[in-house]
Amino acid sequence: DAKTTQPPSMDCAEGRAANLPCNHSTISGNEYVYWYRQIHSQGPQYIIHGLKNNETNEMASLIITEDRKSSTLILPHATLRDTAVYYCIVRVGGANNLFFGTGTRLTVIP
Amino acid sequence: SAVISQKPSRDICQRGTSLTIQCQVDSQVTMMFWYRQQPGQSLTLIATANQGSEATYESGFVIDKFPISRPNLTFSTLTVSNMSPEDSSIYLCSALTSGGSYEQYFGPGTRLTVT
Repeated sequence: DAKTTQPPSMDCAEGRAANLPCNHSTISGNEYVYWYRQIHSQGPQYIIHGLKNNETNEMASLIITEDRKSSTLILPHATLRDTAVYYCIVRVGGANNLFFGTGTRLTVIP
Repeated sequence: SAVISQKPSRDICQRGTSLTIQCQVDSQVTMMFWYRQQPGQSLTLIATANQGSEATYESGFVIDKFPISRPNLTFSTLTVSNMSPEDSSIYLCSALTSGGSYEQYFGPGTRLTVT
């Protein structure tokens, strides 16, 4: 699986959009980009995933660059409950498991 | 989606003893996994639990220390054997759903403290 690079921490004001970047310059053609988050003392929670098109669901939007070497997770209106560690993972679709890096610790500030 | 429950949610155990953690999924899933999360660290995959056969372990993890069972499509157990304080961690069960979405879900974790 390709490796990802994320900033270790970010702050975001409550009510503003949180934009979390991820670099995956060695991603291969059959690898998807997945985003998970882990709120303190809970198991990781699936957010969204995509292959090459931008994706949106009720939680977030995923923007993947045309060359697929980077992506951005967007939380449109961050709330205090969005404070968590966010993990960007690339994986071949249907592959056996997820390998977690260190993620980005997002702190939403009142 | 899949809802995953784990028992116990937490435990405090003495050195040298063993603890078995149970994982139950509310629907049939294709794959089940066990992860460990040491204090302040990210998740590390321990093994893939295979139905009806021996689990597949990642480098650094062995069956004698972490025996795993998966008797059916919705249930698995992880045993932490001969525990030492270094085994104090959160242990998480995970499952990969069938179909084309390849979404992987996680249980709430079992917080283990070894004294």
